[in-house]
This record gives sequence, C-alpha cells and structure tokens, in this order.
Amino acid sequence: TQLLEQSPQFLSIQEGENLTVYCNSSSVFSSLQWYRQEPGEGPVLLVTVVTGGEVKKLKRLTFQFGDARKDSSLHITAAQPGDTGLYLCAGVWQGAQKLVFGQGTRLTINP
Amino acid sequence: KAGVTQTPRYLIKTRGQQVTLSCSPISGHRSVSWYQQTPGQGLQFLFEYFSETQRNKGNFPGRFSGRQFSNSRSEMNVSTLELGDSALYLCASSLSGAPKSGEKLFFGSGTQLSVL
Repeated sequence: TQLLEQSPQFLSIQEGENLTVYCNSSSVFSSLQWYRQEPGEGPVLLVTVVTGGEVKKLKRLTFQFGDARKDSSLHITAAQPGDTGLYLCAGVWQGAQKLVFGQGTRLTINP
Repeated sequence: KAGVTQTPRYLIKTRGQQVTLSCSPISGHRSVSWYQQTPGQGLQFLFEYFSETQRNKGNFPGRFSGRQFSNSRSEMNVSTLELGDSALYLCASSLSGAPKSGEKLFFGSGTQLSVL
C-alpha cells in the first residue's frame, strides 16, 4: 500500500513566526496538490506541482516539489491567524489514477 | 458559477439504517468523486464517476455504493449503517477527472453523518 505521510500532525505557533510542513512518500508522484480546509468546509486547492524541483509561491506560502518527485513541502512566512486550518497534501502516484490524501497538518496560529 | 452542492448538510441515523447523500457538481464538470473524512483516517477515497460510469473505486465494503445521472449529479448510498460510518462525506467535481495531470478538484462542504 502506498502511503503519503505528512508531518507534523499538529502545529501551534505564534503570529509572525515561520513554519514548514512536509509531505513524503517512498514512491514517485505524477502530480501533487496542497489543499487547505477550514472547519465545516471542504478542502480548497492551493497549488498543484508537477515538475521535480518546482517551486511555487502564493503570497506568503512557498510550495516545493522534491527533485525526485517523492516529497513536497509548504513553507509559510510570517504566519497570521487567518492561516489557521487543516493543510492536506494529495498526490497521484505514477501508474495510478486516483488522488490519495495525507492525514493532514492541523495548524493553529495564535494572535 | 455555483460551486459543488451537497445535501443534506447534517444527517443523524441509527445502526442498520441506510442513507443516501446527494452531490451536484459544478456546471460542465463530468467527474464526481466521493471521499470519507474521519479524524483517525483522514480523507479516504470512496469512488469516482464519469459520464454515469464508475471509473475508480477505493477500498470500502460493498455497503457503500454510488451512481451518477445524465446531468452529472451523483448520489452515494450506504446500507446497513455501522457506528464507524460516522464521518464527513465529501464530494468533489472536476472537468474530466484527470488527477494525474493535476486537474483541480472542487469540493463541496460535505455531509456530516452521525450514526447512533
């Protein structure tokens, strides 16, 4: 069974701090996506990465896809309370057809 | 453009009952996927429908079934409910259901099912 592991599972930091969330697998991804989910809502897509080594920026969020396409990271600079939520990575492995989600990182930014 | 609509929003059932959940995708989207989300297991893929055909299926028992209509609306049915079926059921739609290429999934707000 292919697994997609996210770390940390929980993260609580103060406003203004930086943080990094990781998403790892032992297998190669065709593509990988990051979602954010707020309480009572469905996940919302933040970014899709497809090319190994790819870096994408979304305001204070920086997403990186590993060179070997087996891992990804999400870095948030100067976190704000509005960044609070469940961050999910989801990937499609080579040869597969379905999107598999990690367990998520529950992020809390304290004012 | 209206988003993905799921009904009902909340549902309370008892063990042994059956339940039907509904999902209306974004207009023009032909692929509908269903996911079960629980605190312990995270988001688990149930199945995906495209043009009224089930194209992919996750590792769930046969009590979980679904269908898609000609207008792309989809329903999910769970028979003989168990306590462990309590979860948030999410529906997602996309244009063609091509996750390999990183096609964007649009999720509904989900149906929160509680089995007592």
